[in-house]
Amino acid sequence: IAGITQAPTSQILAAGRRMTLRCTQDMRHNAMYWYRQDLGLGLRLIHYSNTAGTTGKGEVPDGYSVSRANTDDFPLTLASAVPSQTSVYFCASSANRNTGELFFGEGSRLTVL
Amino acid sequence: KNQVEQSPQSLIILEGKNCTLQCNYTVSPFSNLRWYKQDTGRGPVSLTIMTFSENTKSNGRYTATLDADTKQSSLHITASQLSDSASYICVVSANNNNDMRFGAGTRLTVKP
Repeated sequence: IAGITQAPTSQILAAGRRMTLRCTQDMRHNAMYWYRQDLGLGLRLIHYSNTAGTTGKGEVPDGYSVSRANTDDFPLTLASAVPSQTSVYFCASSANRNTGELFFGEGSRLTVL
Repeated sequence: KNQVEQSPQSLIILEGKNCTLQCNYTVSPFSNLRWYKQDTGRGPVSLTIMTFSENTKSNGRYTATLDADTKQSSLHITASQLSDSASYICVVSANNNNDMRFGAGTRLTVKP
């Protein structure tokens, strides 16, 4: 069972460029999430989706957008990357939005120069 | 101010020793508290999930406790192994998974 797959594993990007981080899960989970992890800080929620076709803003949504066209995929797009978006990005999923256990991908390390 | 504070920030212990990690939170309302283990360069993996009514929960050598009155939790690791070297993250959920607050983690190093 693959669980959650993120791509790319790492990327160096010039400021101003557009970038999409991909996330796919094979567990048929309803809810999916994007977090960023910065040194010395806890993971912070960027965007979430409680079910296919719906999305919502998390704690730090500015500069990011998401879509949820189907159950399995939840891409995160940076329309115009800035250096402050340098971070490690984690995608996660859970069976439901309430108490379901979160399963995380292995992360995408993004460096914006 | 983070609503989930963990201590210590880092810890070094010898293989075979026990240790206890602390988590204090101010998140309200409270739905559940989770502990995750995150190996370097990997995603977090769930260790335990506790609801308001649960005081303790074990997962192998890991035992989590919860005092909802004082808003404190601890993670006790027994007979540590080198593979326990990782960051341990405390997560508190207010209403649902969209309202989770993550601590910054405790970095544990187990030395032979």
